Amino acid sequence: KAGVTQTPRYLIKTRGQQVTLSCSPISGHRSVSWYQQTPGQGLQFLFEYFSETQRNKGNFPGRFSGRQFSNSRSEMNVSTLELGDSALYLCASSLRGPNSYNEQFFGPGTRLTVL
Amino acid sequence: AQSVTQLDSQVPVFEEAPVELRCNYSSSVSVYLFWYVQYPNQGLQLLLKYLSGSTLVKGINGFEAEFNKSQTSFHLRKPSVHISDTAEYFCAVSGDTGNQFYFGTGTSLTVIP
Repeated sequence: KAGVTQTPRYLIKTRGQQVTLSCSPISGHRSVSWYQQTPGQGLQFLFEYFSETQRNKGNFPGRFSGRQFSNSRSEMNVSTLELGDSALYLCASSLRGPNSYNEQFFGPGTRLTVL
Repeated sequence: AQSVTQLDSQVPVFEEAPVELRCNYSSSVSVYLFWYVQYPNQGLQLLLKYLSGSTLVKGINGFEAEFNKSQTSFHLRKPSVHISDTAEYFCAVSGDTGNQFYFGTGTSLTVIP
């Protein structure tokens, strides 16, 4: 069974631009979560989608948004990029949804560099 | 709300020596606890998890962890480390209300030949 895939793996953008990252969960998994990883802040939860609905949201500005499609693939979008958005963005998929334990399987991440 | 504290940001250890990576958590609800490992330029891989039952949990690659509810700790141990264990290790907690994981800031384990 294929793991979680994220595209692209590396991305370079300039301040003010916007970016879209994609995540394909493990087949059959319906929940997708996104995390931002930086050296200073560590791993921070962005949001979680289940059945095309955002179920949980972390403490990030509205410039960070996401969506999930009917096939459970998810995208996250960052608008008006800032230098501080440079990070590794990790996607994790799990089998079931909220209100129950689910092991999360992580993708390799997308390394975003904002110049 | 939950939070996780990893007390050591860097841990150097000689090959074949034992190692303990410390993790403390705070939570007002029942929790699930995890240790993940991250190798350079890769995502996170689950080492082990505590959901319920026995407080001593065994994971992959010879790692184990002990859940101590009274001390709110979940320390990771390995009796004899290898060069290949050099990586970043993250402790995480998840409550019983969803998929949101709270991660510690990570411990960089360096195994010295």
